[in-house]
Amino acid sequence: GNSVTQMEGPVTLSEEAFLTINCTYTATGYPSLFWYVQYPGEGLQLLLKATKADDKGSNKGFEATYRKETTSFHLEKGSVQVSDSAVYFCALIHTGRRALTFGSGTRLQVQP
Amino acid sequence: DTAVSQTPKYLVTQMGNDKSIKCEQNLGHDTMYWYKQDSKKFLKIMFSYNNKELIINETVPNRFSPKSPDKAHLNLHINSLELGDSAVYFCASSTRTSGYNEQFFGPGTRLTVL
Repeated sequence: GNSVTQMEGPVTLSEEAFLTINCTYTATGYPSLFWYVQYPGEGLQLLLKATKADDKGSNKGFEATYRKETTSFHLEKGSVQVSDSAVYFCALIHTGRRALTFGSGTRLQVQP
Repeated sequence: DTAVSQTPKYLVTQMGNDKSIKCEQNLGHDTMYWYKQDSKKFLKIMFSYNNKELIINETVPNRFSPKSPDKAHLNLHINSLELGDSAVYFCASSTRTSGYNEQFFGPGTRLTVL
């Protein structure tokens, strides 16, 4: 079946540090890949997405590249801010099935 | 201007009770979902409806019954609540126009069963 594996958190960084959150997936065919963010006490917001191999999704300084050869979709940001503190979820949608399959989430804490 | 709304935001109830959570979307989407987020933040699909028709029904106890009176609403009724039902329940919606590739989530309903 489909699955998504994320690095365990929490990830604690100082402001302006470089962020990487690893995500790998298992799926047949060609899934679409997503990063969602959940700020404290809120629902999920789509951060970025990529629908085919070698696509790069980007938003708010975050980037992730769909790597089919390594089945990965790692999230990166060059300089994090305190306001980026949240839980980040990697997810996929498999062709023909509309529901998202989520990773376990990675909590990011950015300290001033 | 809320896109996906849920009521109530918080729900505290006793074991054995029956409760409902309501979800409405004003995006004109044709597909709606219920996801459950457990205490460890893990999210899992429960149900999905497309144009009022059930299309995804994961391994969920039959105490949970979704109901979609129209395309814009998907409610979740839970009978005989158990302690393990305590979680945050998220409603979401998507549309064929985007290939169902982007799901919009509601703010969640935190259910606490005592």
